Amino acid sequence: SSELTQDPAVSVALGQAVRITCQGDSLRNYYASWYQQKPGQAPILIIYGNNNRPSGIPDRFSGSNSGNTASLTITGARTEDEADYYCGSRDRSDYRVVFGGGTKLTVL
Amino acid sequence: EVQLVESGGGLVQPGRSLRLSCTASGFTFDDHAMHWVRQRPGKGLEWVSGITWKSDNIGYADSVKGRFTISRDNAKNLLYLQMNSLRHEDTALYYCVRDRNYGVFYDMDVWGQGTTVTVSS
Repeated sequence: SSELTQDPAVSVALGQAVRITCQGDSLRNYYASWYQQKPGQAPILIIYGNNNRPSGIPDRFSGSNSGNTASLTITGARTEDEADYYCGSRDRSDYRVVFGGGTKLTVL
Repeated sequence: EVQLVESGGGLVQPGRSLRLSCTASGFTFDDHAMHWVRQRPGKGLEWVSGITWKSDNIGYADSVKGRFTISRDNAKNLLYLQMNSLRHEDTALYYCVRDRNYGVFYDMDVWGQGTTVTVSS
């Protein structure tokens, strides 16, 4: 079955930049989206269409997609960015979706 | 205010059925495809099912295909998930989610707070 692979955990020093990656064959054909989930909260969309931010999402969040790898970059990480991050994309058809396993980001 | 409110979760025995509902408000419901996404305790997100705005295209995860049925009532702004033959591994928090698009699935831009389903004898 199709899948998206993420590193389980990543850490970053306060104020530094960090990249979270997502790999999978579906990314060659479909856009990537990224979701942030804090403990006890529902996820929120932070990147759609590979590199677009919904209104209200800070511009320190950016996205890219090349080949089979999508990336989420946080420039100038803040303590409030500590969260789980999930990538998502369509999966083998226009009417199926797959999520990555999630990356837990720790801001040191 | 754009809002999705799930209901219908609870404790159910293995093999039994449950129907989840999601009430949408604050936006034009039939301008959007809709999804159910679940999260098992301590685990990641798992897409369960999605439905286009006029219900002409529906998708299911392999893990629920043949057991779960998604549907919607655009006149009442309601999304449903009929879950049959429930298994222990269906225990999860179930989110109702709005798609940014009305047809082909794109991105999920509005999430409810979820309703908990526990499958246990």
